[in-house]
Amino acid sequence: QKEVEQDPGPLSVPEGAIVSLNCTYSNSAFQYFMWYRQYSRKGPELLMYTYSSGNKEDGRFTAQVDKSSKYISLFIRDSQPSDSATYLCAMSPDRGSTLGRLYFGRGTQLTVWP
Amino acid sequence: DTGVSQDPRHKITKRGQNVTFRCDPISEHNRLYWYRQTLGQGPEFLTYFQNEAQLEKSRLLSDRFSAERPKGSFSTLEIQRTEQGDSAMYLCASSFSVGQGDSPLHFGNGTRLTVT
Repeated sequence: QKEVEQDPGPLSVPEGAIVSLNCTYSNSAFQYFMWYRQYSRKGPELLMYTYSSGNKEDGRFTAQVDKSSKYISLFIRDSQPSDSATYLCAMSPDRGSTLGRLYFGRGTQLTVWP
Repeated sequence: DTGVSQDPRHKITKRGQNVTFRCDPISEHNRLYWYRQTLGQGPEFLTYFQNEAQLEKSRLLSDRFSAERPKGSFSTLEIQRTEQGDSAMYLCASSFSVGQGDSPLHFGNGTRLTVT
């Protein structure tokens, strides 16, 4: 079993829909949680960065972390065709020397059609 | 563009050949990471540097792989005697660390390696 599980999709939604993406994890030491967006043939781009449990909102994006359930989510409101990409969750056990030593999910491929 | 730069973008090589990739991090970032991403999977950590010191290596980094970061600036990743299983996207990322803190990673667009 991988430490971070993520449904690869694909997920296809109409423009304007609310998108829900999620990951589960098994390592209770994870403290920092990130969502990256990756367009085809490009590197991952950081979208959201949260610490421990709770919610964080940035424009149309909301990240939620539930450490008791070992479950994280990313919500995209008013989705746009430009949101079509692969979304990767990533997590790290601490903010010390290994924050950059990330554990990634396999990514969920999202298509938003006009 | 002052982001992480990787060269080449794509490399095709024959099995058994050696290849070298280069990464130029964001200039003020003192940490540099190498990840590998295979098709349909998330990136997997390979190794990282703080300045010129290589501080951690994954068990994925076999003895055919070697990474360097001379003078704490750009980094190179060399794969010797390439195998078809080495075909992947090799991603470089950088971050800034002060004391116990560490900023989130910023990734380059990767080098796609195809071993034939």
